[in-house]
Amino acid sequence: GQQLNQSPQSMFIQEGEDVSMNCTSSSIFNTWLWYKQDPGEGPVLLIALYKAGELTSNGRLTAQFGITRKDSFLNISASIPSDVGIYFCAGLGNAGNMLTFGGGTRLMVKP
Amino acid sequence: KAGVTQTPRYLIKTRGQQVTLSCSPISGHRSVSWYQQTPGQGLQFLFEYFSETQRNKGNFPGRFSGRQFSNSRSEMNVSTLELGDSALYLCASSLASTRGTDTQYFGPGTRLTVL
Repeated sequence: GQQLNQSPQSMFIQEGEDVSMNCTSSSIFNTWLWYKQDPGEGPVLLIALYKAGELTSNGRLTAQFGITRKDSFLNISASIPSDVGIYFCAGLGNAGNMLTFGGGTRLMVKP
Repeated sequence: KAGVTQTPRYLIKTRGQQVTLSCSPISGHRSVSWYQQTPGQGLQFLFEYFSETQRNKGNFPGRFSGRQFSNSRSEMNVSTLELGDSALYLCASSLASTRGTDTQYFGPGTRLTVL
């Protein structure tokens, strides 16, 4: 099925560095969601974006809904060890309440 | 407010058996969606239930089915299990106030292993 193109696939950074990841799609979405998943657990919602151009922050996290409605990015500032995990973008379009997910970005933080 | 709960958390079955997974949504949420997560295919949509009716369905064989009860709790059933059905099965709930703008909240998942 359709998937979102999420990049990078993995990142290994130093504690304190900023991180940026993004998702692109060939289709437009009405909602972009960013989740974080720890091993063996379900995805936890980080940020929800509902409007093209919207820029939303949640603590050290900032995400934007692209103007074309086909992309979104997530920034994490001043990374800390507990930021380690897999980050997923997900889009919600007109095909009902069905999320389309990116392949995930695995973030590793070196103390 | 309690989050989405899923039972059981872990399950081991053998090929050919069937399995039923359960999901209790966040109180007040009327939509329940199910997803399968595997290392190879990532997160894939199985189906969504709203008001006891299946509203959307992904590209999975008929061996995968589900239902929703009047209290919005949902069950997912997989019959004639295959090795490839080994996965983390995730349930997500949402208010379903407006289609296409709903925010979905996930449960911890059920890890199914088929031997």
